[in-house]
Amino acid sequence: QMQLVESGGGLVKPGGSLTLSCADSGFTFSDHYMSWIRQAPGKGLEWVSYISTSSSFTTSADSVKGRFTVSRDNAKRSLYLRMNSLRVEDTGVYFCVKVMRQFGVIIPVAMDWGQGTLVTVSS
Amino acid sequence: EIVMTQSPGTLSVSPGERVTLSCRASQSVGSHLAWYQRKPGQAPRLLIYGASTRATGIPARFSGSGSGTEFTLTVSALQSEDFAVYYCQQYDKWLYTFGQGTKLQIK
Repeated sequence: QMQLVESGGGLVKPGGSLTLSCADSGFTFSDHYMSWIRQAPGKGLEWVSYISTSSSFTTSADSVKGRFTVSRDNAKRSLYLRMNSLRVEDTGVYFCVKVMRQFGVIIPVAMDWGQGTLVTVSS
Repeated sequence: EIVMTQSPGTLSVSPGERVTLSCRASQSVGSHLAWYQRKPGQAPRLLIYGASTRATGIPARFSGSGSGTEFTLTVSALQSEDFAVYYCQQYDKWLYTFGQGTKLQIK
């Protein structure tokens, strides 16, 4: 069974930086768009960033644009999220997700999820 | 940004009952609507996409319907493992957005 495992979360001060990683133990990583979705404590889900299979296309939510950068390494079957200028409101659980692909068509839904990694931004 | 609104916020139901959850989009999203289930301590699980297509391995008691701005998720004959929080998500336009969730709790 495919498994996504996130790492890199932790406690960081406002203005600080953190890099999240996600390792895919499956063998179809390079075939799928990938994303990061987060959930702040007591809040709903928020789609943070999105990256194509070849990294030629990326996009992010306005709330993180200019601060967060999504990237991937298909050879390592890994996804990354570099987070700079962190704010208190970035606190939450960050999920690595695999975007559905069906018959060659990208369907932007999260078909597989990691267990999440907690990021806490606090002084 | 398309705003997704779910109702009700919490629903108290008994096992074996049929329940319908609602999701409304602030503008038409066609059939580009997904539903997820989240249990405490677990990652969300994809239930439905394309408004009505069940994801792999999802039991037939889960069904989705709707198009445009009004969508529903129906669970027939609730089982104990179905008590969870349910989220809808539109993927018609970036930024893909989620509803705030409906919590199904045991009555």
